Amino acid sequence: GAVVSQHPSRVICKSGTSVKIECRSLDFQATTMFWYRQFPKQSLMLMATSNEGSKATYEQGVEKDKFLINHASLTLSTLTVTSAHPEDSSFYICSAPEGGKGTEAFFGQGTRLTVV
Amino acid sequence: AQSVTQLDSQVPVFEEAPVELRCNYSSSVSVYLFWYVQYPNQGLQLLLKYLSGSTLVKGINGFEAEFNKSQTSFHLRKPSVHISDTAEYFCAVSGYTGKLIFGQGTTLQVKP
Repeated sequence: GAVVSQHPSRVICKSGTSVKIECRSLDFQATTMFWYRQFPKQSLMLMATSNEGSKATYEQGVEKDKFLINHASLTLSTLTVTSAHPEDSSFYICSAPEGGKGTEAFFGQGTRLTVV
Repeated sequence: AQSVTQLDSQVPVFEEAPVELRCNYSSSVSVYLFWYVQYPNQGLQLLLKYLSGSTLVKGINGFEAEFNKSQTSFHLRKPSVHISDTAEYFCAVSGYTGKLIFGQGTTLQVKP
């Protein structure tokens, strides 16, 4: 199957700093990518839809000024957590549907963010 | 709007016993249905998916699921579990865009 690479896998940052997470589709083009957040012992919650060449679409309750999404190319989407606080500590996962359809989504390995 | 309900938060089972993890969904349009497995601190691995056609879907690691449109269910089954099947299992639904809506997850605990 297709491969989606997410980097870094773990990051620890100080409160108030910003952290960038990258999501790359390695062997296919992804005009759309999705970003999810998962708190411990909970399900994955969709944060936003990343659209190549246009603005991201955020789910209700997600602060777009805090979670900046850039989809600059057909293989790369980035999520920047700005002015991170301890409550932003979570597991962030990206996915990309191959061919832009819903028949299968390929997931990155996830990023464990810890804000201290 | 779409939603997914996994009816059991935890399912303890002894090794080599059969298991069923239940999933119900709600959608006003045709959907695709998925089961994913997640091991601690890892991403998601696709177990199986239903897109169309035969309602009995076979996946990896001996898992299978049956799509039941009238009951809006997509329960996951395995006839004999192993210790290594201990993990978190997520049922998910998507439309044509690839945006997934997940259930709450079911922790499968396989005991020796």
